[in-house]
Amino acid sequence: AQSVTQPDIHITVSEGASLELRCNYSYGATPYLFWYVQSPGQGLQLLLKYFSGDTLVQGIKGFEAEFKRSQSSFNLRKPSVHWSDAAEYFCAVGAGTASKLTFGTGTRLQVTL
Amino acid sequence: EAGVAQSPRYKIIEKRQSVAFWCNPISGHATLYWYQQILGQGPKLLIQFQNNGVVDDSQLPKDRFSAERLKGVDSTLKIQPAKLEDSAVYLCASSSGHSGNTIYFGEGSWLTVV
Repeated sequence: AQSVTQPDIHITVSEGASLELRCNYSYGATPYLFWYVQSPGQGLQLLLKYFSGDTLVQGIKGFEAEFKRSQSSFNLRKPSVHWSDAAEYFCAVGAGTASKLTFGTGTRLQVTL
Repeated sequence: EAGVAQSPRYKIIEKRQSVAFWCNPISGHATLYWYQQILGQGPKLLIQFQNNGVVDDSQLPKDRFSAERLKGVDSTLKIQPAKLEDSAVYLCASSSGHSGNTIYFGEGSWLTVV
């Protein structure tokens, strides 16, 4: 069975600083990988996804993520964080046709001005 | 394009009472999901429908939870009787069902059991 680990429960960064959120997955075959963002009181919004091909994936809101098979990682990055990026971020892995997602426990991002 | 609609958004009930949540997926989406998100945790899949058939309900507590999608469109998730540990956000999601297709989430129904 697949699983996802997000080792950082809470991260605080200053506005304008760079950001990297860590995600490690466990899955026996090539995974489908996703990053979702959840603002308070809201549902989940897809930031980006990796299915195959280029291991560096561009998403919305200036986010990108890099798939590293050797490290079983799919870390999310942003070069310059904005105060509006404060939210909870979830990494997810999908098996097979990606029709079933397994989520990590999330990383809460706080942005200081 | 309208997103995934859920209602009610918020519900407070006493333990042992019942509650029902409704979901209307994105038009044309064959696959519908119900996820449970407990505070401080990631969403956990409860049940997955493909049209009006159940694909996966292995993590649905069937002694108290039930879900249906009778006409392959709207879905209802019911909890009866509710327990304190059922306090969570219930997220409905949908996708076209094609391989690798994006799963879109609703804003969730927030349940507090007191």
